[in-house]
This record gives sequence, C-alpha cells and structure tokens, in this order.
Amino acid sequence: DGGITQSPKYLFRKEGQNVTLSCEQNLNHDAMYWYRQDPGQGLRLIYYSQIVNDFQKGDIAEGYSVSREKKESFPLTVTSAQKNPTAFYLCASIVGGSGNTIYFGEGSWLTVV
Amino acid sequence: KQEVTQIPAALSVPEGENLVLNCSFTDSAIYNLQWFRQDPGKGLTSLLLIQSSQREQTSGRLNASLDKSSGRSTLYIAASQPGDSATYLCAVHKGFQKLVFGTGTRLLVSP
Repeated sequence: DGGITQSPKYLFRKEGQNVTLSCEQNLNHDAMYWYRQDPGQGLRLIYYSQIVNDFQKGDIAEGYSVSREKKESFPLTVTSAQKNPTAFYLCASIVGGSGNTIYFGEGSWLTVV
Repeated sequence: KQEVTQIPAALSVPEGENLVLNCSFTDSAIYNLQWFRQDPGKGLTSLLLIQSSQREQTSGRLNASLDKSSGRSTLYIAASQPGDSATYLCAVHKGFQKLVFGTGTRLLVSP
C-alpha cells in the first residue's frame, strides 16, 4: 500500500546528542514536510522540500537540519542546538500544487532524557 | 501573518447529537482549507478539502463550509458516534504548498 513511513516511533535523546528521524514515502509525491507538534498546540513547520536536492526553512528551523537526496526520502536531524526537542514530529507529503490533499505519516515521539 | 483559531478547544457531547466545529483565519487570501482528524498519538487523516472557489464539501456525515470573506469555516458532524472522538484540526493553504494549522478542537462523544 502507498503511504508515508516514519521511524522510529519512539526515540530518546541524551543531552548533546544529534538524532535523525526517518521519513519515507512511496506515493511519488514531489513535496515533503516536517512538522513539530507540542501538547495542546497546532503543528508548526520545520522544513519543507518541493523537489530533490532543494529544501527551505519553515517557521522553526533553528536546531534542525534536513536533506533531500532522493524523491522518496526526507530525513530530519535534531541537533544538540535544539534546546527543547521533546515533541511529536510529523512528516507529510503532497503530490504538487496547493489544491491537493496532504498526507501524513504516523509520527515520531522524541524525548530528551 | 496568517493565524488560524479553532473554537471551542474541547467539546463533549452525547452520542447522536449534531455538532459544529469552528475555524477562523485572519487572511482571506488562501488557496484552500483542509479539515483533519487526529487520534491520540497518531498522525493526521484528511477529512475534507475545500478549494478557495468552493463553498462547501460533504463526505458521509461530515459537511464543511468555507466563507473566505469572513475568514471562517465550519465542520458539521451529523449524528455523532463514539468513534468520532478525536482532535479535529483545520489548516489553510497559504502560499505554495505551505499550510498553517489551528490548535484543534478535542471532541469526546459519550455513549
């Protein structure tokens, strides 16, 4: 079945560590996104990519990095510079244009220990 | 800056009631508006997408309306069921492939 796969589902990070969240889609979608969701809040955009080898910062990009080497993959690295990384992270994709439905993965929980 | 607000933040109703969830946005220059459902600890599932040129969309017991001039959208759920219990979020597409989300309405439907 087509969809978006995020892994791991749960991840624990020690202070000062970088961690990478995986996002893979087999929908042949052009654009991919990373959002952060904090309890009781809406989603905030971290990074997005419209095509391979290109990506743009969202509203809260500081302390995060991404790459888009393949159309189907858009990994997110949470660096040690991100001071409050504990959150629920959601990856999404869309086929192209703003008139289409956006699809989400099941999310990854990141906790700092 | 586009801001999206959802009222109420939480809603509890008995099974069988019809209910309305509200979404308002500050900038009417949007491409479209989308309603999502989110179950606890899960990703978002798209419910309805309303293009900026449309007034409403329907899917089963769900009906979403859009009034761009007033910056408002409503999601109407008919004959609510316990399985409808979830958080409902609206999002506006503003700019190429960028969405701005509301904070959601947490719905509980009691048997």
